Amino acid sequence: DAGVTQSPTHLIKTRGQQVTLRCSPKSGHDTVSWYQQALGQGPQFIFQYYEEEERQRGNFPDRFSGHQFPNYSSELNVNALLLGDSALYLCASSYPQGDNEKLFFGSGTQLSVL
Amino acid sequence: QKEVEQDPGPLSVPEGAIVSLNCTYSNSAFQYFMWYRQYSRKGPELLMYTYSSGNKEDGRFTAQVDKSSKYISLFIRDSQPSDSATYLCAMSTPYSGGYQKVTFGTGTKLQVIP
Repeated sequence: DAGVTQSPTHLIKTRGQQVTLRCSPKSGHDTVSWYQQALGQGPQFIFQYYEEEERQRGNFPDRFSGHQFPNYSSELNVNALLLGDSALYLCASSYPQGDNEKLFFGSGTQLSVL
Repeated sequence: QKEVEQDPGPLSVPEGAIVSLNCTYSNSAFQYFMWYRQYSRKGPELLMYTYSSGNKEDGRFTAQVDKSSKYISLFIRDSQPSDSATYLCAMSTPYSGGYQKVTFGTGTKLQVIP
């Protein structure tokens, strides 16, 4: 049973560029959440997708957008990259409603903005 | 004031020691409490989960919750070098309106020296 998979594992971009990160949830999970983890910090919630809709959003600007596909996989898009966007981006999947606090994380995508 | 406070460490202990990791929180709406372990360059993995005050034991790990003091702890007995990782506390509100908010601490980096 495959866990949460994320791609790519590493990415280097320059300021102003756009990036797309991808995530496939754990089998049986239909909810995907995205987190940003800066060095030495805990994960910060970006947004959550369920039934192909953004259900909740954290304190992140509109440059951060996402999408969920019918097979529950998800993408995170970041436009107009800033140096401060450099971080580990984590995707987490969870069971349907009522058990969303049990998050299963992928290994993340390490994004470096130069 | 952050909703969840956690000492970032680092914490260095000899092999076999008892480790105590702690978090405090300010949001009384938190009802579910988790501990995640994160190895270097990996995503967090769920270690312990509890939703009530008191103790929960799983092998060498014991999670303790004191809701009256808004204080949670993780104890590791007979610590091993393989326990060296960053430990993140996380807390969640009850499921409401189709969403549960999960908030993480900054993580405590633990090193167990052989």
